[in-house]
Amino acid sequence: EIVLTQSPGTLSLSPGERATLSCRASQGVNSNYLAWYQQKPGQAPRLLIYAASTRVTGIPDRFSGGGSGTDFTLTISRLQPEDFAVYYCQQYGRSPRFGQGTKVEIK
Amino acid sequence: EVILVESGGDLVQPGRSLRLSCAASGFKFEDYSMHWVRQAPGKGLEWVSGISDDNGRVDYVDSVKGRFTISRDNAKNSLYLQMNSLRPEDTALYFCVKDFGNFPHLFDAFDIWGRGTMVTVSS
Repeated sequence: EIVLTQSPGTLSLSPGERATLSCRASQGVNSNYLAWYQQKPGQAPRLLIYAASTRVTGIPDRFSGGGSGTDFTLTISRLQPEDFAVYYCQQYGRSPRFGQGTKVEIK
Repeated sequence: EVILVESGGDLVQPGRSLRLSCAASGFKFEDYSMHWVRQAPGKGLEWVSGISDDNGRVDYVDSVKGRFTISRDNAKNSLYLQMNSLRPEDTALYFCVKDFGNFPHLFDAFDIWGRGTMVTVSS
């Protein structure tokens, strides 16, 4: 079973700043089957990135995913007010698993 | 528009059973794997179970194996989760989720989520 560890737990930033979120897997993620989700309070999660770096249609290009193997990142180039939320990474393929989440909060 | 609507959540006592349902519309249900994901109050996401488009493959998180059963009725565009021997730690908002569907033999990322149905297990 792959365990995903996200860091930091909370990221305190100001609008306009760059956010870099990390997701580390306990073993290699096959074929980069790694996704990122955004969840705002009271809402269902929303898929942002799949296959580690492919943005879902309609997701702004300030969101980018990278990495391979065991180390992955989600970067938000310039935070907008609507980007403050909790972000989860997920490995899929066989038994899907989520990381514990990173909260991006307004500083 | 693709829509998933969950129902069946309730307050139940430990050891009792509950059946969740999910009604799907706006896409060809029979072509996609489907999943249940839960979120305990104030906690993160936990994948619970998934089922392939043709019922040929099902999988569960270890903590529910032997207690929960996922099923689907493609003729009714519906997904189900039968939950037996419920425990307080099963208390969560349960989301019905559509698989992205790019892989015929593996689960993909989750592209469409319902709003969830709340299950509370307490005496």
